[in-house]
Amino acid sequence: EAQVTQNPRYLITVTGKKLTVTCSQNMNHEYMSWYRQDPGLGLRQIYYSMNVEVTDKGDVPEGYKVSRKEKRNFPLILESPSPNQTSLYFCASSLSGRVGDSRVYGYTFGSGTRLTVV
Amino acid sequence: GESVGLHLPTLSVQEGDNSIINCAYSNSASDYFIWYKQESGKGPQFIIDIRSNMDKRQGQRVTVLLNKTVKHLSLQIAATQPGDSAVYFCAESPYGGATNKLIFGTGTLLAVQP
Repeated sequence: EAQVTQNPRYLITVTGKKLTVTCSQNMNHEYMSWYRQDPGLGLRQIYYSMNVEVTDKGDVPEGYKVSRKEKRNFPLILESPSPNQTSLYFCASSLSGRVGDSRVYGYTFGSGTRLTVV
Repeated sequence: GESVGLHLPTLSVQEGDNSIINCAYSNSASDYFIWYKQESGKGPQFIIDIRSNMDKRQGQRVTVLLNKTVKHLSLQIAATQPGDSAVYFCAESPYGGATNKLIFGTGTLLAVQP
């Protein structure tokens, strides 16, 4: 089944304890992205990757890191989590990251990771 | 945990009625638009998309209308069912020559009354 898989689904952690949220897609998609979703603010992009070893900041990158060593994986790293990073996180992928590419632009989303930092 | 449905505008409809969910987008240069459905505890799911060279597109029970003059997008759901209850987001692709970045609206909660 074509899908984007995130782990864990739920995580409670303490301030300052490094954590990684994993994301994997099995559709050979070039483009992957992380979003956070907060009440009243909608989905905001954290980081994105156009392809292997190509990553760039989104709208709210502070406090986050990513890597794209393989096409299928795009982990989100919080080196020193803080309470304001408590949120619902989504990984998404798309066949292409290039506007003008005639292939489908739409994202496929993972099921989400609910992170609580205390 | 707190639901993403809180703080959102809500549309309440009776089962079997038609629903119309509206979205105002921000960038007149946007050339691609998508509607997503997000059920409680799940990630957003693609419903239907439309490019800026069209003003209407139909899917199964859903129709998207695009009015570029007033930068308005709407999603029409025919014969609304309880399973349609969810948060609905519009998204726009505002970058004419850059990346495939989508900007999402904050969403509308559709509540279907049996």
